[in-house]
Amino acid sequence: QKEVEQDPGPLSVPEGAIVSLNCTYSNSAFQYFMWYRQYSRKGPELLMYTYSSGNKEDGRFTAQVDKSSKYISLFIRDSQPSDSATYLCAMSGASGGSYIPTFGRGTSLIVHP
Amino acid sequence: SAVISQKPSRDICQRGTSLTIQCQVDSQVTMMFWYRQQPGQSLTLIATANQGSEATYESGFVIDKFPISRPNLTFSTLTVSNMSPEDSSIYLCSVATGSTNEKLFFGSGTQLSVL
Repeated sequence: QKEVEQDPGPLSVPEGAIVSLNCTYSNSAFQYFMWYRQYSRKGPELLMYTYSSGNKEDGRFTAQVDKSSKYISLFIRDSQPSDSATYLCAMSGASGGSYIPTFGRGTSLIVHP
Repeated sequence: SAVISQKPSRDICQRGTSLTIQCQVDSQVTMMFWYRQQPGQSLTLIATANQGSEATYESGFVIDKFPISRPNLTFSTLTVSNMSPEDSSIYLCSVATGSTNEKLFFGSGTQLSVL
């Protein structure tokens, strides 16, 4: 079992839809949970990060962490064609004093007009 | 935040040759990371490079194949040595801010194709 599981998609939705992207993990030591967005031929860019459990909102984006279920989600409201990208979850926790993130394989999102 | 300039952006190389990828950061950072991203796969950490010390390699990656230099706090290079088609991938450099690396900033990547 991989430490972080993420469905690669692709996930295709119409413009304006609510998008739900998810990851599960197995390492209970993870404390930081991040979402990165990666456009084609670009490096990943940090969208949001959350410490421990709970919700965090930033504009149209909401990140949720449920540590009891080892499950994290990213919701995108009113999705736009410009949101079409690959979304990678990442998580980290103290391991020998280091917090090197572990990434999911990414979910490809396509928002069509 | 940090702005990272990575070059080359892409290259096509012959089997058996070597390619050096450069990464320049606009601010001084302690830790730099080198990742590999293969199609449909998650980012795989190759090594962590700290200024003034030898890089720390992850399981499956060795210094002879992926030598790294870190001459100062704003610059690093990764060399892919004696390349084979299996080395075809995207290579990314990254820097972390914050004591717990929760914010990683990435270069735009180097797309490497080995014939």
